[in-house]
Amino acid sequence: AQSVTQPDIHITVSEGASLELRCNYSYGATPYLFWYVQSPGQGLQLLLKYFSGDTLVQGIKGFEAEFKRSQSSFNLRKPSVHWSDAAEYFCAVGAGTGTASKLTFGTGTRLQVTL
Amino acid sequence: GAGVSQSPRYKVAKRGQDVALRCDPISGHVSLFWYQQALGQGPEFLTYFQNEAQLDKSGLPSDRFFAERPEGSVSTLKIQRTQQEDSAVYLCASRERGLNTEAFFGQGTRLTVV
Repeated sequence: AQSVTQPDIHITVSEGASLELRCNYSYGATPYLFWYVQSPGQGLQLLLKYFSGDTLVQGIKGFEAEFKRSQSSFNLRKPSVHWSDAAEYFCAVGAGTGTASKLTFGTGTRLQVTL
Repeated sequence: GAGVSQSPRYKVAKRGQDVALRCDPISGHVSLFWYQQALGQGPEFLTYFQNEAQLDKSGLPSDRFFAERPEGSVSTLKIQRTQQEDSAVYLCASRERGLNTEAFFGQGTRLTVV
C-alpha cells in the first residue's frame, strides 16, 4: 500500500525567505505525486503534479517540486515566500493517472509566515 | 457550475442522528471521490464513483456510512447513527475523463457530532 510522510508538522519562515517542504513517499510502482494547499475553511487547491518526464515540475504561485526516485522524495520549494502563502500544505501520491486513481495524503505541514 | 459545490458547509448533529451530505461535481466529470479529513490530519479516501457506479468503497469506516450517485452527477454521503468519532470535514472531488487529469475539490462539509 502506498503512504506519504511529511516530517515537518509546522514550519515558520520570514516573508521573502526561501521555503522547502519535505515529502517522502512509499509506493511499489511509478508514483504519481501531487502537492495541494489548503487555506482555513477552504478545499484543496492543486499546486503542481508529477506524472512523468522532467523531474523538476513547475506549479502555480511560483512553487516548484523535484522528484527524486533514489530518495523517494518530492519536496516542494519556493524561492521567496509571501505572507499569503501561509496555509496547510499536503503531499499526495496517486496509484495511477486514470480517472479512478484515488489519492493518499500525508498529514500536512502548516506554514506560518512572519512579516 | 464553476467548481465542486458541497452543502451544507457546516453541520452539527446530535449523537445518534442521521445526516446527509451533498456534493455537486463539476458538470461532465465522470469520477467522484469522497474523502474524510479529521482535525489535524490529511484527507483519507472513503469511496469512488464512476458515473453512477460505486466502484470502490474500501475506505468507508463502517456500515453506518453509505454513498450514492443515482444519476451520475450529484452524490450524497449518508451517515447513520452518528458518533463523535465521525466529526470531521468531508471533502468531495471530481475528475473529468482521461489520463493525467486533475481532481478538483469542494470546500467540504464540517460535521460536528455532539
